Amino acid sequence: GQNIDQPTEMTATEGAIVQINCTYQTSGFNGLFWYQQHAGEAPTFLSYNVLDGLEEKGRFSSFLSRSKGYSYLLLKELQMKDSASYLCAGLDSNYQLIWGAGTKLIIKP
Amino acid sequence: NAGVTQTPKFRVLKTGQSMTLLCAQDMNHEYMYWYRQDPGMGLRLIHYSVGEGTTAKGEVPDGYNVSRLKKQNFLLGLESAAPSQTSVYFCASSYEGTGSQPQHFGDGTRLSIL
Repeated sequence: GQNIDQPTEMTATEGAIVQINCTYQTSGFNGLFWYQQHAGEAPTFLSYNVLDGLEEKGRFSSFLSRSKGYSYLLLKELQMKDSASYLCAGLDSNYQLIWGAGTKLIIKP
Repeated sequence: NAGVTQTPKFRVLKTGQSMTLLCAQDMNHEYMYWYRQDPGMGLRLIHYSVGEGTTAKGEVPDGYNVSRLKKQNFLLGLESAAPSQTSVYFCASSYEGTGSQPQHFGDGTRLSIL
């Protein structure tokens, strides 16, 4: 079966760095997405990885290891506005997105 | 700069009633999707469309119907609402469905079935 696993909740301190992990099992693989979703709002696109390695976008970076079925989202210099859920989603061989349940990130001052 | 617009934003229905959720996008996207989001679960695909006049079933299509008569609109119908359909419904669109093009989401419709 297809599955995306990510931690349910994480807590971090303002100004710190946090890494949110995601492991995936999909039928075929056409890339991995990360989305941010603030409470009561729509998911918004953060990053897409299809090749192994690290992609950096400002304070946010995303890493992919296809051989390990593993990705992580790295958030640096955390701000209170980063408190949100972070959704990991794998694109399978039929180009369907398989979504994880999301990681709720709580930022403390 | 509307993007993806969903109506209504909130709705309460009684079991057995029917209703239609409307999704409109102004980005000229080919692909459109309907998801439901329930606590503790990932987004689940209900139906999707790869272009005007086409629809296809997703992971959880039972109890729902869709239509895409115009490229910019994607309608989701509940034929006979059941309490198990209480959820937050998200519509999304993308330029194409293969590869790096992200999906753009509407603000959601919060639906309660009593």
